[in-house]
Amino acid sequence: GAGVSQSPRYKVAKRGQDVALRCDPISGHVSLFWYQQALGQGPEFLTYFQNEAQLDKSGLPSDRFFAERPEGSVSTLKIQRTQQEDSAVYLCASSFGSSEAFFGQGTRLTVV
Amino acid sequence: GESVGLHLPTLSVQEGDNSIINCAYSNSASDYFIWYKQESGKGPQFIIDIRSNMDKRQGQRVTVLLNKTVKHLSLQIAATQPGDSAVYFCAERSLSGYALNFGKGTSLLVTP
Repeated sequence: GAGVSQSPRYKVAKRGQDVALRCDPISGHVSLFWYQQALGQGPEFLTYFQNEAQLDKSGLPSDRFFAERPEGSVSTLKIQRTQQEDSAVYLCASSFGSSEAFFGQGTRLTVV
Repeated sequence: GESVGLHLPTLSVQEGDNSIINCAYSNSASDYFIWYKQESGKGPQFIIDIRSNMDKRQGQRVTVLLNKTVKHLSLQIAATQPGDSAVYFCAERSLSGYALNFGKGTSLLVTP
């Protein structure tokens, strides 16, 4: 597809379970971002990749959150030992350089 | 108030009327601004952007106005249609930066 693709669309995890969220950016886009969006709020920055290099992970809320983009294309956001406060929509976006970022539809994570 | 904030959380307009959504920002280093539209269950969709060397930019049925003196941004939608009903976010960053800082959003409801 031409857009940013995220999977799964929905994920229900039991508290303490590990989850992995996948992002397929637009082909050729150098920059990739992960955002977290709580209900009724705007997206909050989590981390940024330029190709395979993670240049900024200052927004990751705890060391339970880990992101990677080993070949500079697909990225995975992993959350270990999920907690209820991790419930949110996780958005991935990609861009070519400093142009506008295009967002995927997000993964809605519910921790029960 | 907020670093990127919106004056009105909800806005209801009649179909065919013009809509104006406002946004205030506090980071004087911000020099790139974007408006996004987010429909329920979808990721944010790019509408229009503006750089700080401009005070107005027009797109199809949309106009963004930037007042750097008072750090205010607005989105004008002409002849609002039912399909315009969504949450609208303003976002900002510095041109040398990459992470977007989003406000909380304004919910636009278009009534027939």
